[in-house]
Amino acid sequence: AQSVTQPDIHITVSEGASLELRCNYSYGATPYLFWYVQSPGQGLQLLLKYFSGDTLVQGIKGFEAEFKRSQSSFNLRKPSVHWSDAAEYFCAVGANYGQNFVFGPGTRLSVLP
Amino acid sequence: NAGVMQNPRHLVRRRGQEARLRCSPMKGHSHVYWYRQLPEEGLKFMVYLQKENIIDESGMPKERFSAEFPKEGPSILRIQQVVRGDSAAYFCASSPDSDYEQYFGPGTRLTVT
Repeated sequence: AQSVTQPDIHITVSEGASLELRCNYSYGATPYLFWYVQSPGQGLQLLLKYFSGDTLVQGIKGFEAEFKRSQSSFNLRKPSVHWSDAAEYFCAVGANYGQNFVFGPGTRLSVLP
Repeated sequence: NAGVMQNPRHLVRRRGQEARLRCSPMKGHSHVYWYRQLPEEGLKFMVYLQKENIIDESGMPKERFSAEFPKEGPSILRIQQVVRGDSAAYFCASSPDSDYEQYFGPGTRLTVT
């Protein structure tokens, strides 16, 4: 069965610092991988997605993620964090777009001024 | 193009009452997915529907929960005889077909007192 782990429950970084959020998945075939962001009281917004091709994908708001098949990872990165990036971040995996997604438990990001 | 609409945004029910959650997909989208987010957890898939059909309900509790997506009108997630454990945020997502990304609504936060 497919599963997603996000080892870090809560991360705190200073504004302007770099960020890396970890995501590991377990899946029997080539997965579709996603990162979503959820601001307090809001729905989920898609940051970026991967399903084939270049393993380094660019997303919105200056985020990028790298798919590493050998490590079953899809870590999210940002070179310089802004205070507005404080939110909950979810990694998700699916067989394809049309199937239900399996979400990780999320990583809460706090940003210090 | 308006996004995915969910109403109500907040719903309070006493134990034993019924909860009806509505989801209006984006214009042109005929696929709807429901997810539940318990406090401090990620989203869990519940059900995937197309117009007038349930495609995958593997995540739905066997009792008290039902979902529909009629030919006309919004998708409805119905919870009968609610219990405190049903308190959660319920998110709806829609897509135009089975091979496209899902767009999430803002969620309905159900509180059972």
